[in-house]
Amino acid sequence: GQNIDQPTEMTATEGAIVQINCTYQTSGFNGLFWYQQHAGEAPTFLSYNVLDGLEEKGRFSSFLSRSKGYSYLLLKELQMKDSASYLCAVRGNFNKFYFGSGTKLNVKP
Amino acid sequence: DGGITQSPKYLFRKEGQNVTLSCEQNLNHDAMYWYRQDPGQGLRLIYYSQIVNDFQKGDIAEGYSVSREKKESFPLTVTSAQKNPTAFYLCASSISWDPSYSNQPQHFGDGTRLSIL
Repeated sequence: GQNIDQPTEMTATEGAIVQINCTYQTSGFNGLFWYQQHAGEAPTFLSYNVLDGLEEKGRFSSFLSRSKGYSYLLLKELQMKDSASYLCAVRGNFNKFYFGSGTKLNVKP
Repeated sequence: DGGITQSPKYLFRKEGQNVTLSCEQNLNHDAMYWYRQDPGQGLRLIYYSQIVNDFQKGDIAEGYSVSREKKESFPLTVTSAQKNPTAFYLCASSISWDPSYSNQPQHFGDGTRLSIL
């Protein structure tokens, strides 16, 4: 079966850096995506990794190690508006996407 | 402005009733998906369609049905056989099943919240 694990909840302080981890075991791998989802809203795309290494996009960076089945999302200079759930998703075979349960990030002043 | 439109935003179902959730996209995407999200949980795949007139069951298809008669439309029917339908339903699309587009993310609609009366 497919398995994608993320921590359930994290808390961090405004202005700090936080790392959200994701480990996965899926049948087929065609890329890993991170999405942000505010409560009651649709997920929005943050980043994509398919090769090992770090991808940087402004305050957000994402890292992938395919051999370890591991990724993380790094958020720098945290802002209150970053309080949301962060979903890790793997594109498997046949263009199917598998999602983790999401990590709820609480940013406090 | 291209996107995915889901309607209605809120829906109530009576016992024994079938209800249909609408999903329309004008992104010219080949693939469309339906997910269910329960409180504090991730997205679970109900059905997906890679191309018009074709669709496949996802992980939790029981009690649901879909059709894909047009490229832009992928309605989901929640039947009376689905005993616990209360959830947030999200429709998504992606450009193609073709691996050359593997870096393209899914796009999501704003969701439909379904409750039981």
